[in-house]
Amino acid sequence: AQSVTQLGSHVSVSEGALVLLRCNYSSSVPPYLFWYVQYPNQGLQLLLKYTTGATLVKGINGFEAEFKKSETSFHLTKPSAHMSDAAEYFCAVSDSGTGGGNKLTFGTGTQLKVEL
Amino acid sequence: KAGVTQTPRYLIKTRGQQVTLSCSPISGHRSVSWYQQTPGQGLQFLFEYFSETQRNKGNFPGRFSGRQFSNSRSEMNVSTLELGDSALYLCASSGQEGGYSPLHFGNGTRLTVT
Repeated sequence: AQSVTQLGSHVSVSEGALVLLRCNYSSSVPPYLFWYVQYPNQGLQLLLKYTTGATLVKGINGFEAEFKKSETSFHLTKPSAHMSDAAEYFCAVSDSGTGGGNKLTFGTGTQLKVEL
Repeated sequence: KAGVTQTPRYLIKTRGQQVTLSCSPISGHRSVSWYQQTPGQGLQFLFEYFSETQRNKGNFPGRFSGRQFSNSRSEMNVSTLELGDSALYLCASSGQEGGYSPLHFGNGTRLTVT
């Protein structure tokens, strides 16, 4: 089974500072990787995904992530944090493969706090 | 396009009762998945339905069941509720087959068991 590990359950940054949220994965097959964001009392919203091709993936709201196979990592970054980025972020790996359905295994989440 | 709709948003039930949650996927999506989210266990996969057939199942007891109708709408049922079933239940739909397809989530049903 595939798995993801998110380092740091809470991350605090100043507004305008770099955001770096860490995700490492374990997968026996080429992984499909996702980052989702969850605002209070809401569901999960897709930020970006990596399936194949370019290893630097750009998402919504200025976020991007780089797939590094050698490090089994898929860290999420944003050059300049905004107050509206405060939320919980989840890294996920597809746990079903092609043709095997849609099942995601999620990390434990990272709560991002943005301070003035 | 309307997003994934889950009803009701909030539910309060008593131990031993049963509950049914409903999910309407994005129009045209045939895959519907359910996840349980709790502070202690995080996001856990319950099951996935595709064209009315259960395609994947997570490690939950048989008290948790689901079904999908011909219009792709899905329901999830939990029988003999326990306090530990208190959680946010999230439904997600997908328009494609295969693990590369992103899931689109609803806002969830918050179930409280007393």
